[in-house]
Amino acid sequence: KAGVTQTPRYLIKTRGQQVTLSCSPISGHRSVSWYQQTPGQGLQFLFEYFSETQRNKGNFPGRFSGRQFSNSRSEMNVSTLELGDSALYLCASSSTPAGYGYTFGSGTRLTVV
Amino acid sequence: QQQVKQSPQSLIVQKGGISIINCAYENTAFDYFPWYQQFPGKGPALLIAIRPDVSEKKEGRFTISFNKSAKQFSLHIMDSQPGDSATYFCAASSNNNDMRFGAGTRLTVKP
Repeated sequence: KAGVTQTPRYLIKTRGQQVTLSCSPISGHRSVSWYQQTPGQGLQFLFEYFSETQRNKGNFPGRFSGRQFSNSRSEMNVSTLELGDSALYLCASSSTPAGYGYTFGSGTRLTVV
Repeated sequence: QQQVKQSPQSLIVQKGGISIINCAYENTAFDYFPWYQQFPGKGPALLIAIRPDVSEKKEGRFTISFNKSAKQFSLHIMDSQPGDSATYFCAASSNNNDMRFGAGTRLTVKP
């Protein structure tokens, strides 16, 4: 059974640019959540989607957005990148909402220069 | 955002020893308490999880102890091995809440 796939694995962007990250969940999983991981702040919740609907959103500015498609694949977008957005962005999927039994992908390492 | 407090930040244990990591939560609505293990360059992987209706769950060398009245839970790693060296995260969630993570504990097991 294939795991959670995140693309790309690494990304370098310039301040002010926009970026889109992709996540393909485990087949059959309808819940996808996104987390930002930094050494100083740990794992911070961004948002959760279940069956194409956003269920929860964390305390991040509106520059961070996401969506989920009918095949459960999800994308997150960050506009007007700031240096502080440099982080590992993790996607996790689950068959039920709210993260019972999350499986994480390996993440996308975003560096903003 | 932090609703789960984890300690210690780092832990050094000799091979064969017991590693103990503690977590405390605030929201009594949480009903699912997992522990994740993360190696460098990888995403967190589910290690073991517990529901509040039991006080202890054991899987191999890993045991979760849960104290509902104190709103605390802990991970015990028996016979710790160098391969256990990783960062461990506790977490908590419920049907109406996203999963919240502790700050993580970096475990080093010395041979």
